[in-house]
Amino acid sequence: EDKVVQSPLSLVVHEGDTVTLNCSYEVTNFRSLLWYKQEKKAPTFLFMLTSSGIEKKSGRLSSILDKKELFSILNITATQTGDSAVYLCAVGRRGSTLGRLYFGRGTQLTVWP
Amino acid sequence: NAGVTQTPKFQVLKTGQSMTLQCAQDMNHEYMSWYRQDPGMGLRLIHYSVGAGITDQGEVPNGYNVSRSTTEDFPLRLLSAAPSQTSVYFCASSSALDSPEAFFGQGTRLTVV
Repeated sequence: EDKVVQSPLSLVVHEGDTVTLNCSYEVTNFRSLLWYKQEKKAPTFLFMLTSSGIEKKSGRLSSILDKKELFSILNITATQTGDSAVYLCAVGRRGSTLGRLYFGRGTQLTVWP
Repeated sequence: NAGVTQTPKFQVLKTGQSMTLQCAQDMNHEYMSWYRQDPGMGLRLIHYSVGAGITDQGEVPNGYNVSRSTTEDFPLRLLSAAPSQTSVYFCASSSALDSPEAFFGQGTRLTVV
């Protein structure tokens, strides 16, 4: 059975801290791993990773994929209160279910001032 | 520049009533899907479609019907609403052949009393 597991489920930090969010997966015919940020409304896209060891970076956020060990991490440095959100990890497959995404339960990040 | 448009934003139903959640996209995406999001559960796939005339079930399809008569529209029907269907519903679309990145509608908060 395909599954995507995120940890921790929730995290509370203070502004300025660095956080690491984890996503492990067991999905056949892996194509890509995606990270989304959700603040009260619809998820918004952050990163898509397809190759191992290549870091994607956007400002204070960065992510990397390990296809051998089947996991990805999302790092946020110098956190701000605006980073408070649910971070979702999703995996896409090749083949007949191309386009379908398998989501984890998300990590609720709370950043205190 | 509408993207994915979902209506209504809020809805209250009585048990046993039926209704249709509307979803339209103007990006000519092949792939469309419906998710429900409950606290601590992430996004769970209800139904999806890989093109006009083609639909399939996701993880939690019971109590819901879909159809895809055009590329643009993918309505979700609740046949006989139950309190267990109280949730936030998201429609998403993607160009599966190019990238699995999903674009989400703004969500519908449904309460069944």
